[in-house]
Amino acid sequence: AQSVSQHNHHVILSEAASLELGCNYSYGGTVNLFWYVQYPGQHLQLLLKYFSGDPLVKGIKGFEAEFIKSKFSFNLRKPSVQWSDTAEYFCAVNGKTSYDKVIFGPGTSLSVIP
Amino acid sequence: EAGVVQSPRYKIIEKKQPVAFWCNPISGHNTLYWYLQNLGQGPELLIRYENEEAVDDSQLPKDRFSAERLKGVDSTLKIQPAELGDSAVYLCASSFTGTGASGRTDTQYFGPGTRLTVL
Repeated sequence: AQSVSQHNHHVILSEAASLELGCNYSYGGTVNLFWYVQYPGQHLQLLLKYFSGDPLVKGIKGFEAEFIKSKFSFNLRKPSVQWSDTAEYFCAVNGKTSYDKVIFGPGTSLSVIP
Repeated sequence: EAGVVQSPRYKIIEKKQPVAFWCNPISGHNTLYWYLQNLGQGPELLIRYENEEAVDDSQLPKDRFSAERLKGVDSTLKIQPAELGDSAVYLCASSFTGTGASGRTDTQYFGPGTRLTVL
């Protein structure tokens, strides 16, 4: 069955700490991968995406993610978080054909303490 | 450029009443999605349109939910009758779905959602 799992439901960090949010997927075939962020009171926004090529992808606001095909993982990282990174983070996957489903993970809530 | 527009932003209704949500996608986007998002969970796809065609409605509870996308632009999602368990945020997203050498490449842009409360 197609699925996306995110390792942590809720993460609490102090400012300047490093961040890594786990994402693993189960999806047949070649995939596209995404991380979305939802800041409090705002709508879902794209952080970064992977379609092909370099498995290390850089996104907005200093975020990056690495696609490890052998581990079916697409973990999100940031070397130093800020209070403004407090948000809900969602990993998503879809297939390469027009009829493939988009699957979202359950989300990880990140709280950054000043 | 305007983003995805949804209305209303909030809706409170009593159970068994009908309700409708409207979405206007980003200009030029051929694909439109409706999602349901419960508190503390990720979005769950209800239906996806490619232009006017519903290409994936397998998750849409067709006994009470219906959707349409006339002329391949705006879309309406309806629930009739609403049940208590339908309380959630209903999200609309749009994308331009292209297919190149790497296969499908589309990025979804989300609207602000409609928060439905069924009493």
